[in-house]
Amino acid sequence: QKEVEQNSGPLSVPEGAIASLNCTYSDRGSQSFFWYRQYSGKSPELIMSIYSNGDKEDGRFTAQLNKASQYVSLLIRDSQPSDSATYLCAVIGGDYKLSFGAGTTVTVRA
Amino acid sequence: DTEVTQTPKHLVMGMTNKKSLKCEQHMGHRAMYWYKQKAKKPPELMFVYSYEKLSINESVPSRFSPECPNSSLLNLHLHALQPEDSALYLCASSHGDGNTEAFFGQGTRLTVV
Repeated sequence: QKEVEQNSGPLSVPEGAIASLNCTYSDRGSQSFFWYRQYSGKSPELIMSIYSNGDKEDGRFTAQLNKASQYVSLLIRDSQPSDSATYLCAVIGGDYKLSFGAGTTVTVRA
Repeated sequence: DTEVTQTPKHLVMGMTNKKSLKCEQHMGHRAMYWYKQKAKKPPELMFVYSYEKLSINESVPSRFSPECPNSSLLNLHLHALQPEDSALYLCASSHGDGNTEAFFGQGTRLTVV
């Protein structure tokens, strides 16, 4: 079983819609959870971090964490063409290693 | 300031060459990382330095040799690489308490010919 799994996508949404990205992780000792955005040919950029159960909102982004279900999600509201990128879920496990999911490629259609 | 600077941005090297990748951060972070990323794959952890000591080596071949001269600098020395080592090499840093976010540099695109 992979340590971090994401719905593989690709995900295509119209401009202005909500993009929903999901991620599950296997290590129950994980304490820290992140979403990175990576444009083609560029390096990952941190867009959200979440450490406790519940929702965390930052602008058009909302991260949700449910440790009991070992589940993290990211919602992108009012999606814009500039949101087209690969979104990487990342988790720090009990071994303090930052591990990444395979990524979900999002395309926002104008 | 969340800047991690990597040099060079691009590198082409032959299989008999020796080269080094450099990474620098001035955020006071005490953990620094090397990741390797192949096309359409997620970053794969190679090495972690914590407080200037190598804390994690993900069974990386010895042709990759990391070095942490001080808390702001991280190098990756390359020797006798193979074409399959061609990838984007990413440096990252974090506070070093084990559970905080990591910030990435822009990467070095390495091509081995």
